[in-house]
Amino acid sequence: DGGITQSPKYLFRKEGQNVTLSCEQNLNHDAMYWYRQDPGQGLRLIYYSQIVNDFQKGDIAEGYSVSREKKESFPLTVTSAQKNPTAFYLCASASGNSYTEQFFGPGTRLTVL
Amino acid sequence: SQQGEEDPQALSIQEGENATMNCSYKTSINNLQWYRQNSGRGLVHLILIRSNEREKHSGRLRVTLDTSKKSSSLLITASRAADTASYFCATDAFTETGNQFYFGTGTSLTVIP
Repeated sequence: DGGITQSPKYLFRKEGQNVTLSCEQNLNHDAMYWYRQDPGQGLRLIYYSQIVNDFQKGDIAEGYSVSREKKESFPLTVTSAQKNPTAFYLCASASGNSYTEQFFGPGTRLTVL
Repeated sequence: SQQGEEDPQALSIQEGENATMNCSYKTSINNLQWYRQNSGRGLVHLILIRSNEREKHSGRLRVTLDTSKKSSSLLITASRAADTASYFCATDAFTETGNQFYFGTGTSLTVIP
């Protein structure tokens, strides 16, 4: 099946720990995105990448880091510098051309204990 | 932030009625898209309307776009209980570093059987 997957579905972290959220797609999409969603809120862009080995900061990049070593993969690390990391994290991909939709993964819910 | 806003924030209707939700955005766009999100899940693309289009239909969905007012509306006709979800509009715009998407704050729709 073609699609975009995220793991794990639920993640618990102690304060001061870094955690990495996985995002994989087999849609051959060039562009990948990470969003954060807080309860009752819209999506806010953390980082995005249009091509391998290149990525750009979104609106709320502080306390997060990413890598794009492979076209299929765009992992997000939530570092201890992120002061309020508890949220729902969504990964998306798009073909990179205009007039295109984003395909979303099922999300990872991160809770800091 | 270039995040848009949906109106109303929440909407509750009886099954069979029509549901209308509105979206306002701030900057010039290439396209406007509507997405649906079931609770705790990823977003699913519903419909895309280009900046040079004024109206588009897809099944029970009707989308309008008024670029002079920087607004769009989504109409769901003959609603069903299964339409209960949050609905988000998203605009995209070219930047120097690629195509970015900007999501609204969402409308939570409840369809009562």
